[in-house]
Amino acid sequence: EDQVTQSPEALRLQEGESSSLNCSYTVSGLRGLFWYRQDPGKGPEFLFTLYSAGEEKEKERLKATLTKKESFLHITAPKPEDSATYLCAVRISNSGYALNFGKGTSLLVTP
Amino acid sequence: EPEVTQTPSHQVTQMGQEVILRCVPISNHLYFYWYRQILGQKVEFLVSFYNNEISEKSEIFDDQFSVERPDGSNFTLKIRSTKLEDSAMYFCASATGDGNTIYFGEGSWLTVV
Repeated sequence: EDQVTQSPEALRLQEGESSSLNCSYTVSGLRGLFWYRQDPGKGPEFLFTLYSAGEEKEKERLKATLTKKESFLHITAPKPEDSATYLCAVRISNSGYALNFGKGTSLLVTP
Repeated sequence: EPEVTQTPSHQVTQMGQEVILRCVPISNHLYFYWYRQILGQKVEFLVSFYNNEISEKSEIFDDQFSVERPDGSNFTLKIRSTKLEDSAMYFCASATGDGNTIYFGEGSWLTVV
C-alpha cells in the first residue's frame, strides 16, 4: 500500500504562472515530511522538512505547507530553472529515520 | 556547503560479479543511508546505519547486500553476485543526529550486463 501519493505526475507551466504540487500521505503519526528537488541523473536536493499541521516553510519561489493528510509545494512565478522533478517523502520510523518517497511530480517551466 | 560524495559515478559490471560503491558522508553527520532508484521508478530505501551498525533495513536489502564503515570517513555498499535487476542509481545519504535534514549524494549509476 502506497503511503505517499504525489499529483499531478507531470505539470507544464508558463514562466510566471504560479501553481501547487500535492503530496498526500496515509501514515499514522507523521514523524516528518520532506520535500526534495531532483534534476535528471542527479541526487535529490533537500528543500524542506515539515513536522506538524499548519507548519509552513519558504525558500525563494517555493513554499511548503502541511495539513493532517497532505502537503503542498507552492511555486510562485516560476522560472525555467525551476524545471525538475519534485519529490515528497515521509519518515516511516524513528529507529533509522528512513524515508518513503512518492513517485514525484515532473515540472516543466517554459519561457 | 558540505556535501555527500560518491564514487564511482558510473560502473558497468558483469552479472555475478561483486561491486563496492563508496560514499563519504558529511563529516558531522551521524546517520548514513543507502537508497536506490531504478530508471523511471521512485527512490527506494535500502538501509540505515548508526553507531557502527545497521539500524534499519528494507526487504530489498537481503543477504546479497552489506554495508560497512571501514574508517571514520567512508561508508560502503557491497553487492555480492550482482543480478541484472540490480541495475539502478544508488544514492548515499547522511543526516544529523536528529534526522531532521537528510542530504543525498549525486549517486552511483550501476549497470549490470
